[in-house]
Amino acid sequence: DAGVIQSPRHEVTEMGQEVTLRCKPISGHNSLFWYRQTMMRGLELLIYFNNNVPIDDSGMPEDRFSAKMPNASFSTLKIQPSEPRDSAVYFCASSLRQGLGNTEAFFGQGTRLTVV
Amino acid sequence: RKEVEQDPGPFNVPEGATVAFNCTYSNSASQSFFWYRQDCRKEPKLLMSVYSSGNEDGRFTAQLNRASQYISLLIRDSKLSDSATYLCVVNPRGGSYIPTFGRGTSLIVHP
Repeated sequence: DAGVIQSPRHEVTEMGQEVTLRCKPISGHNSLFWYRQTMMRGLELLIYFNNNVPIDDSGMPEDRFSAKMPNASFSTLKIQPSEPRDSAVYFCASSLRQGLGNTEAFFGQGTRLTVV
Repeated sequence: RKEVEQDPGPFNVPEGATVAFNCTYSNSASQSFFWYRQDCRKEPKLLMSVYSSGNEDGRFTAQLNRASQYISLLIRDSKLSDSATYLCVVNPRGGSYIPTFGRGTSLIVHP
């Protein structure tokens, strides 16, 4: 298995532009997480999907952020309009939810976003 | 109290030293536990799961103390390549099903 695949690896954009980050989870996994990591705040959960349904989006900073999971093999995180404070590394992770919990999560290589 | 707490360090140790990290958690209904390793500018990667009876993988030993609600990671005979940030992760039983990550402990192994 190729693992969790994210694209792009790096993104530099101007303030006000729309940014779309993409993620392909590990085949067979039914849980998908979007995280944001900065030096100041560490790893923050933005949104959690299970079976393609958003379960917890309480970590999404504001309405400028939106996430979708149209099928089991693809998810997007969109920022519109982007702001300099959105600069961070965005990770997608997937795991298998079975029984009463999730198994260990596997991370993609991340997208390093810089908004200038 | 934060859900998962770790000493951020850095722990600065010489090669060959033994070093231990602790991680405390607040949710007594937590089901499973993991240690991840994150290298600079890389994604977190699973290092090892933590089992109730304790488990070992080469130079690494992980332990769980449910009564006191903490997990630990012991690294023996430290190598330069062990330099990284170590994140503990706690998975709840039911409820939100969302794994909670600690902020990580930085380890620097020097010659």
